[in-house]
Amino acid sequence: AQKVTQAQTEISVVEKEDVTLDCVYETRDTTYYLFWYKQPPSGELVFLIRRNSFDEQNEISGRYSWNFQKSTSSFNFTITASQVVDSAVYFCALYSGNTPLVFGKGTRLSVIA
Amino acid sequence: NAGVTQTPKFRVLKTGQSMTLLCAQDMNHEYMYWYRQDPGMGLRLIHYSVGEGTTAKGEVPDGYNVSRLKKQNFLLGLESAAPSQTSVYFCASRNPRGTDTQYFGPGTRLTVL
Repeated sequence: AQKVTQAQTEISVVEKEDVTLDCVYETRDTTYYLFWYKQPPSGELVFLIRRNSFDEQNEISGRYSWNFQKSTSSFNFTITASQVVDSAVYFCALYSGNTPLVFGKGTRLSVIA
Repeated sequence: NAGVTQTPKFRVLKTGQSMTLLCAQDMNHEYMYWYRQDPGMGLRLIHYSVGEGTTAKGEVPDGYNVSRLKKQNFLLGLESAAPSQTSVYFCASRNPRGTDTQYFGPGTRLTVL
């Protein structure tokens, strides 16, 4: 069975600090896809990134970066120089075996000015 | 191109009343989903559909029914609303390939008194 664990329920950081959100997944499939979504206080769910199991290259997009490590079944998300606008709930999700996306319970990030 | 839309945005029901939530997507997606989001529980899958005329149960299907009569629409029904169904409901859609992104609607906030 597929499972996604986001062990950090809530994180608070001061603006300009770096922060890493952890995501650990479980699947028996060799082909799978990992996602991150952002849910700002306004409530909508915004897609951030998708990664497939055959591509372990880390990805950087501006202040955001993602570290995919198959050896530890982790797909962690780092925000560099955090800003107040980064305050949101972040969800990690797994797609494998042609079953519906499995979501973690989310990590609430608060960035304090 | 509106993406995924949900009607209504807000609704207040009394216990025992019925209602239908409408989800529409204009991306020609095969798969559609209904989730509920409660504090601390993340996103829980209620029902989903892998094509017109098909539906399947998710993690928390009890008390809900769905129908997918047209490819672009996915209806979620509550026959006899209960206070435990107070939640934010999200609809989502995607195509079957793992590389495809799942897009979410803006959500419906339902309160059952």
